[in-house]
Amino acid sequence: DTEVTQTPKHLVMGMTNKKSLKCEQHMGHRAMYWYKQKAKKPPELMFVYSYEKLSINESVPSRFSPECPNSSLLNLHLHALQPEDSALYLCASSHDNNYGYTFGSGTRLTVV
Amino acid sequence: KQEVTQIPAALSVPEGENLVLNCSFTDSAIYNLQWFRQDPGKGLTSLLLIQSSQREQTSGRLNASLDKSSGRSTLYIAASQPGDSATYLCASESNRDDKIIFGKGTRLHILP
Repeated sequence: DTEVTQTPKHLVMGMTNKKSLKCEQHMGHRAMYWYKQKAKKPPELMFVYSYEKLSINESVPSRFSPECPNSSLLNLHLHALQPEDSALYLCASSHDNNYGYTFGSGTRLTVV
Repeated sequence: KQEVTQIPAALSVPEGENLVLNCSFTDSAIYNLQWFRQDPGKGLTSLLLIQSSQREQTSGRLNASLDKSSGRSTLYIAASQPGDSATYLCASESNRDDKIIFGKGTRLHILP
């Protein structure tokens, strides 16, 4: 298995809803990442987990809450989002510094 | 702070032509440079990864080069096809903070 799987592919949520994005990889990668991408912009780093511990938080608002239950799974819990949070959310994983990144196909999030 | 620049921002060429996409970076302290392809609304597909000790990598009609001393990488696409139409992103992975920095991408359109 050489893929990063993200679910759901599309999500529409209200500003008072609570939802979660899921990411899974079975490549034995030690690091997992969440990125946010707005239209026609490059991906922006949100969080990095290394060996299941949060190692980087790029000053992301607390309405985004990451969780890494085990080495294969990464979640992003969403609560009280704003319409400007609508974007493509990408998960990625990497084995080590010299092996590059593998990205998932993303979750298209719309906040109404 | 690493800055990654991609030129041109957009490119349209007739089918069958060979083309070159450019990527430049300001800090040579990198583990690697990776080229990705992104179709509209989709995730990132890794095309080629060049480690810092390497000069080039090839996959099918694609060839990527890396010149760390000048801070440049190129992606060469031979015999372009309409299916090559996409946005191409380059990203460098810093060995200072283990983060990858993306360029803004080149939107490529191959004319049938």
